[in-house]
Amino acid sequence: AQSVTQPDIHITVSEGASLELRCNYSYGATPYLFWYVQSPGQGLQLLLKYFSGDTLVQGIKGFEAEFKRSQSSFNLRKPSVHWSDAAEYFCAVGRNAGKSTFGDGTTLTVKP
Amino acid sequence: EAGVAQSPRYKIIEKRQSVAFWCNPISGHATLYWYQQILGQGPKLLIQFQNNGVVDDSQLPKDRFSAERLKGVDSTLKIQPAKLEDSAVYLCASSGIQRDNSGANVLTFGAGSRLTVL
Repeated sequence: AQSVTQPDIHITVSEGASLELRCNYSYGATPYLFWYVQSPGQGLQLLLKYFSGDTLVQGIKGFEAEFKRSQSSFNLRKPSVHWSDAAEYFCAVGRNAGKSTFGDGTTLTVKP
Repeated sequence: EAGVAQSPRYKIIEKRQSVAFWCNPISGHATLYWYQQILGQGPKLLIQFQNNGVVDDSQLPKDRFSAERLKGVDSTLKIQPAKLEDSAVYLCASSGIQRDNSGANVLTFGAGSRLTVL
């Protein structure tokens, strides 16, 4: 069975500081991995995805993520956080985007 | 291109009442999904349609939930009768082939319909 763990329920960073959101997954084969962002009252927006190839994936809004097979991780990073990045972030795993298993999310608060 | 449209955005009902949610996917997207997102959790798939046929409804509580996509475009999700534990955001998503070389599908989500059952 596939599963996703996002260990941090809530993270607070100062504006301009770097960010790393953790994601650990369990999957029986080579996974497809996704990061989504959800702002209050909005649906989920795809930030980036990993299907194959280069393990460092660039996404929208200056985000990147690195797939580490040996650690079963797909952590999301951003070098300098903006106040508008405050939102909830979801990691997902699966061979099919629609049938992915989602983590329970990490809420990001940005301090001025 | 227009996004995935959902309505209503908010609905408050009492338990044992019924409710229906509507979704209009992105034009040309053959695959449509309904998810349930309970507060503090990630979305969980309820049902997947391919055109007007059901591909996967294994997680749909069929004693009270039903969904249809009669003409392969719009879809309706109904709950009857509602229970307190049905309070959640109901997300609709559609998928098409990403316009890159991966050939893989990606999801586009609507803003969701928030249901509160009292």
